[in-house]
Amino acid sequence: KAGVTQTPRYLIKTRGQQVTLSCSPISGHRSVSWYQQTPGQGLQFLFEYFSETQRNKGNFPGRFSGRQFSNSRSEMNVSTLELGDSALYLCASSLGGADGYTFGSGTRLTVV
Amino acid sequence: GENVEQHPSTLSVQEGDSAVIKCTYSDSASNYFPWYKQELGKGPQLIIDIRSNVGEKKDQRIAVTLNKTAKHFSLHITETQPEDSAVYFCAASRESGGGNKLTFGTGTQLKVEL
Repeated sequence: KAGVTQTPRYLIKTRGQQVTLSCSPISGHRSVSWYQQTPGQGLQFLFEYFSETQRNKGNFPGRFSGRQFSNSRSEMNVSTLELGDSALYLCASSLGGADGYTFGSGTRLTVV
Repeated sequence: GENVEQHPSTLSVQEGDSAVIKCTYSDSASNYFPWYKQELGKGPQLIIDIRSNVGEKKDQRIAVTLNKTAKHFSLHITETQPEDSAVYFCAASRESGGGNKLTFGTGTQLKVEL
């Protein structure tokens, strides 16, 4: 079966711009979570969506937002980009919880 | 919130030797403990997991042990092979109906030398 698909794979943006990342979960998976991975902070939880509702949120500023569509596909948006937002953004999907998370390959965002 | 500590940060072993990575967690309510392997350019891949009602789980060359009292869990890889070289992450989660999130350790770079 197809895995978790994240697009685009690489992205370069200028400070102050905004960016939207996309995630298509495994078919049948209703939970989609987003994580930020940096060398300094490691893997940090951003938010989780289940059936189009955000049901868990990490400690990130309001510039980070997300949504989930009726087909379970999810997008995350970062507004007013800062240099520190440069990271690998990972999406993971599961049937309903942290159990059995499958990660995508991520979107590498570079802010210049 | 939950805090997960992972040691060592780097580990170098000879092919065929065993490797052990240890993690401790702070939230006694955590009940799900997965281990992920991340290769260069890829997302983390689940290799084994354990729940708090089990003390040990094994899958071929990989095993995980959990000590709830001490709040620590370990990954054991036996008969290591060059393809085991990667970054390994432990994680902890308190599963509930109100949503779930994984708190990750800082990772262990494992290098298996020929």
